[in-house]
Amino acid sequence: AQSVTQPDIHITVSEGASLELRCNYSYGATPYLFWYVQSPGQGLQLLLKYFSGDTLVQGIKGFEAEFKRSQSSFNLRKPSVHWSDAAEYFCALRGGYGGSQGNLIFGKGTKLSVKP
Amino acid sequence: KAGVTQTPRYLIKTRGQQVTLSCSPISGHRSVSWYQQTPGQGLQFLFEYFSETQRNKGNFPGRFSGRQFSNSRSEMNVSTLELGDSALYLCASRSPDRAYEQYFGPGTRLTVT
Repeated sequence: AQSVTQPDIHITVSEGASLELRCNYSYGATPYLFWYVQSPGQGLQLLLKYFSGDTLVQGIKGFEAEFKRSQSSFNLRKPSVHWSDAAEYFCALRGGYGGSQGNLIFGKGTKLSVKP
Repeated sequence: KAGVTQTPRYLIKTRGQQVTLSCSPISGHRSVSWYQQTPGQGLQFLFEYFSETQRNKGNFPGRFSGRQFSNSRSEMNVSTLELGDSALYLCASRSPDRAYEQYFGPGTRLTVT
């Protein structure tokens, strides 16, 4: 099976605090993983991606993610959150077979709120 | 380079009607994929077109169809609209040399009444 789970529907953090958004995947081989961000009324912007190699990947806007094969996880982190980071975040897996082959399988998303 | 553009941005239709949405990919991108986003089902893959041919298809009924033109622009059509088709429809394109990365447009918000 190929699927993505984001356990947290909504997270609230204070501005300046650190952030970690969780993502777990199910896939039979080495996954291609992505994090996207969606601001209200907007499309999806690619934050970062993991294909292979270094398990800690850096992205735009100060985000990073760590791939842990043993835990089937690809968690997104940011050391210090800014109010402009408030948005919805989606973890995605590139489909390897079936109708979605080569396209994205998304988690349900985590909505991030930032307290001043 | 201009991003993915989608028209119209907002659309209101009545149940039973049909609708056509348009997507223009980033210049040089030949693959266009469509996704449906709803509060209940989240983001789901509809279909992908490459060089005017449907390459992959998600699990949606035949009322959902698409096509791609020689300039890589794509349209999707939904016939006999149902209330449950109300959603944000997103298209994404990718380039031949970075085939694993998809770049999304702003979406078309379809409301069916």
